[in-house]
Amino acid sequence: DAGITQSPRHKVTETGTPVTLRCHQTENHRYMYWYRQDPGHGLRLIHYSYGVKDTDKGEVSDGYSVSRSKTEDFLLTLESATSSQTSVYFCAISVIGSPAGNLGYTFGSGTRLTVV
Amino acid sequence: SQKIEQNSEALNIQEGKTATLTCNYTNYSPAYLQWYRQDPGRGPVFLLLIRENEKEKRKERLKVTFDTTLKQSLFHITASQPADSATYLCAPDNYGQNFVFGPGTRLSVLP
Repeated sequence: DAGITQSPRHKVTETGTPVTLRCHQTENHRYMYWYRQDPGHGLRLIHYSYGVKDTDKGEVSDGYSVSRSKTEDFLLTLESATSSQTSVYFCAISVIGSPAGNLGYTFGSGTRLTVV
Repeated sequence: SQKIEQNSEALNIQEGKTATLTCNYTNYSPAYLQWYRQDPGRGPVFLLLIRENEKEKRKERLKVTFDTTLKQSLFHITASQPADSATYLCAPDNYGQNFVFGPGTRLSVLP
């Protein structure tokens, strides 16, 4: 996905360990988002950022923290991973916040995280 | 609480026919609604946005309608092709804060 990169693409970790997922953009967009996608639940917003060091909670923020020290990077940290956090995590960017005009969100390719 | 429903988990249609996908929402009144396409193992891709004061919007073979009275959006793909097979997500905006995604409909276009 042009302009947005997620790393790692796949990760297996043990319960109780901290995990950090990275989202990197080259579009200089102000807004960045972290979603998780699970069968039966669809995409759910974890946290989002509307600028450097400006973040806010989404629908399912418990157990997650985020940081944005540079425009281009948005980090998602699972402080102590649990099996319920096994999921596919997507980062998204947008030019402006909602309403997003005619451009919508641009999503990364996702990180598949398995907590064993 | 807000609820977003998409007509069915899966929809099979014959190539060349028009596919119609439904998105219903309850307990709020979004000002905007987006549609996305998602292929297996990939992130969603933005297709169209429609505003509450727009009844219909078109892009090539795609048409979206937005009925704020019925609290429903319809997504049509005309002259469907096997390459249109994917999961389609609707996303009404959440009181102007961000977009909330529906569970998706998996469309299969059969040759």
